Amino acid sequence: DVKVTQSSRYLVKRTGEKVFLECVQDMDHENMFWYRQDPGLGLRLIYFSYDVKMKEKGDIPEGYSVSREKKERFSLILESASTNQTSMYLCASSSQGGAGNTIYFGEGSWLTVV
Amino acid sequence: AQTVTQSQPEMSVQEAETVTLSCTYDTSESDYYLFWYKQPPSRQMILVIRQEAYKQQNATENRFSVNFQKAAKSFSLKISDSQLGDAAMYFCAYLNSGSARQLTFGSGTQLTVLP
Repeated sequence: DVKVTQSSRYLVKRTGEKVFLECVQDMDHENMFWYRQDPGLGLRLIYFSYDVKMKEKGDIPEGYSVSREKKERFSLILESASTNQTSMYLCASSSQGGAGNTIYFGEGSWLTVV
Repeated sequence: AQTVTQSQPEMSVQEAETVTLSCTYDTSESDYYLFWYKQPPSRQMILVIRQEAYKQQNATENRFSVNFQKAAKSFSLKISDSQLGDAAMYFCAYLNSGSARQLTFGSGTQLTVLP
């Protein structure tokens, strides 16, 4: 089974802290994504990556950056966390072969910024 | 840019009954994919069903089926013989067949199944 693992399920951070959210997939997928989920807004794409060291901005990249140094790992970075970044963050991955390939999701990381 | 609209924030259905969740989308593309994802309280996103835009036949997966109306840009999900385990948030999603392969999601419909 494909597994997308988000190492931290629940985090509480202080305003201004630097926050790292880590995501690892075990299926050699080329594509990886970070989404943010908020009530009434669905999932919104923050950043995505099609290959190692590649990144593309999604719909809401402001206040975030990403890193993809290895194919299996895609990190989301909040340089200076703010309270409006309190949310659930979902990582996902998919293979490059065909646009209809299934996208697999991790279990989510709940981030609270106080 | 593509948009996906789910106009029903909440729905409820009696166990064993049938319920239909609505979804409309906006795109200028002719080739794309549509999905319904289920998110139970565990928050794990689970793919329920997928539809290729070039296929006229509506997709079905056991008790789940879709009504895909390409001209109307409508993609509804029908759940037959509803079960308690179907209670979840349901998201409609769009995927372009082009180079940008990220999913665009609707805002979700919270489905309650009443015993």
